[in-house]
Amino acid sequence: AQRVTQPEKLLSVFKGAPVELKCNYSYSGSPELFWYVQYSRQRLQLLLRHISRESIKGFTADLNKGETSFHLKKPFAQEEDSAMYYCALISNFGNEKLTFGTGTRLTIIP
Amino acid sequence: DVKVTQSSRYLVKRTGEKVFLECVQDMDHENMFWYRQDPGLGLRLIYFSYDVKMKEKGDIPEGYSVSREKKERFSLILESASTNQTSMYLCASSKMGQGNTEAFFGQGTRLTVV
Repeated sequence: AQRVTQPEKLLSVFKGAPVELKCNYSYSGSPELFWYVQYSRQRLQLLLRHISRESIKGFTADLNKGETSFHLKKPFAQEEDSAMYYCALISNFGNEKLTFGTGTRLTIIP
Repeated sequence: DVKVTQSSRYLVKRTGEKVFLECVQDMDHENMFWYRQDPGLGLRLIYFSYDVKMKEKGDIPEGYSVSREKKERFSLILESASTNQTSMYLCASSKMGQGNTEAFFGQGTRLTVV
């Protein structure tokens, strides 16, 4: 079974400080991993995917297969980063079931 | 440029009623999903479909069923609504065959069962 764990339900960070949102997964194969974000009163949307190795809005995430982690990082938090963040996984074998974690609400303190 | 549309933003239903939540996507996606979103529990997958008339149970299918008669439409059915099904329901769709593909979400339906 595939599972995504986000240990922090709430995270508060001062503006300008570094941000790290933790994500761990369990899956027997090689999954595809994502971070999705939901800003206030907006739809859930893709932030970034591990396969692209991209930086979006200053955020990056590195897949660590040894630790089965995919933590989201940003060196300098901005007020507009306040949102709900979800880590997600798609199996790459058989069906394309998309599984989400419990989410972390990030609040940036001005 | 709305791509995934859920038929209602808010619904209030009585216990025992049969409830239909509709979702339509205009991107010709094969995969469609229904989740419920609850504080502290994140998004939990109820059902998903990878083709017309095809469906698979997610993590919490009990009390729900789905219908996919056309590629663009995926319906979630609560056979007999109960108060513990009060929640925000999210529909999503994605392109099949590309494991790294983006899922697009609807605006959500907040269902209250009284």
